[in-house]
Amino acid sequence: DSGVTQTPKHLITATGQRVTLRCSPRSGDLSVYWYQQSLDQGLQFLIQYYNGEERAKGNILERFSAQQFPDLHSELNLSSLELGDSALYFCASSVDRTGELFFGEGSRLTVL
Amino acid sequence: DAKTTQPNSMESNEEEPVHLPCNHSTISGTDYIHWYRQLPSQGPEYVIHGLTSNVNNRMASLAIAEDRKSSTLILHRATLRDAAVYYCILRVSSNDYKLSFGAGTTVTVRA
Repeated sequence: DSGVTQTPKHLITATGQRVTLRCSPRSGDLSVYWYQQSLDQGLQFLIQYYNGEERAKGNILERFSAQQFPDLHSELNLSSLELGDSALYFCASSVDRTGELFFGEGSRLTVL
Repeated sequence: DAKTTQPNSMESNEEEPVHLPCNHSTISGTDYIHWYRQLPSQGPEYVIHGLTSNVNNRMASLAIAEDRKSSTLILHRATLRDAAVYYCILRVSSNDYKLSFGAGTTVTVRA
């Protein structure tokens, strides 16, 4: 158990819909990261937050957005969903900007 | 971002050592070498990291070449639980912690 909690574990929705994935980092960790893992793309870095502020951005689509709240939990919002958005979405946390990452078990999104 | 090259797959017998190579010829002086692994149906798990000197922890050892253009992750006695995809990653200090995962090496352990 990494200490990082992600909900929901599984989510099935239709194209065009919007979903929110939630992540609770390890106690005391200020940084939260979001990754997408699909069969053809591997693990792709999406975005990083540090203590509520966006600090690094990767290959995140404009239809996707994220935020980190004052209690340090984070949400990843995916809108206008397409079939290609079906993937595992991982959240990770670390103590600071440079520490090792602790990953959650992921949220599996299926878009039909 | 600096890139790494790993073999696609490796096989090992249980209780034998496993040496996983990684080439990173474009590494910069301040880039750290990180290893993560991902067991089936789980999120990636931190294994070890280093800068210049060899490193040991309870999970593995990391041997870094003198010119830092390559490194080797060593699992001293493989168990069935070590079957996973192993990722060698460079943490580029100028990009905070935007870890970029490649395809990794799939390790199979035979009983």
